Amino acid sequence: QKEVEQNSGPLSVPEGAIASLNCTYSDRGSQSFFWYRQYSGKSPELIMFIYSNGDKEDGRFTAQLNKASQYVSLLIRDSQPSDSATYLCAVDAGGTSYGKLTFGQGTILTVHP
Amino acid sequence: SAVISQKPSRDICQRGTSLTIQCQVDSQVTMMFWYRQQPGQSLTLIATANQGSEATYESGFVIDKFPISRPNLTFSTLTVSNMSPEDSSIYLCSAARGETEAFFGQGTRLTVV
Repeated sequence: QKEVEQNSGPLSVPEGAIASLNCTYSDRGSQSFFWYRQYSGKSPELIMFIYSNGDKEDGRFTAQLNKASQYVSLLIRDSQPSDSATYLCAVDAGGTSYGKLTFGQGTILTVHP
Repeated sequence: SAVISQKPSRDICQRGTSLTIQCQVDSQVTMMFWYRQQPGQSLTLIATANQGSEATYESGFVIDKFPISRPNLTFSTLTVSNMSPEDSSIYLCSAARGETEAFFGQGTRLTVV
């Protein structure tokens, strides 16, 4: 059974700090990795995806992938109160199953002023 | 990314009745999926909606309870049949065109009373 585990929360950081969100996955054959943000009562929205080992940066967000360790993380720099949400890590097995995502349980992030 | 229109956005239904949720994508996509998000939980995949053929269901989900149609590349429906209060959840339609993005409709918040 494919599993995706996220670091337990909730996570609370002060405004301007770096928030670090972590995720491990069990299926070594996984191809693509996604971070979604979900505000209360809303649907998930894609923040970033990554499929190559290393870092990928987009504005204040950096995704890091280490396939050998089966580990993916999301760093949020200069955290803002508007970043307060639930962050979902999702893994795509790829191949003929692309787009079919297994989600972690989510980490609740609170950025306090 | 494509835009997904999902309706209804919310509904309150009597137990024993059925509700059909519609998902319309603004451009052709190859893969469409239906997820459920129970209160306080992460997303769980119900099934893959296959164009012109029967949906592929995940473990724990059956066609009699969650019949799915996908008559073309841009439209799918999910029916929640013979509802009980345990079916109260957010139901989300997802679509994918390639291996780098899976995007979501705004969700249908279902309450069964």
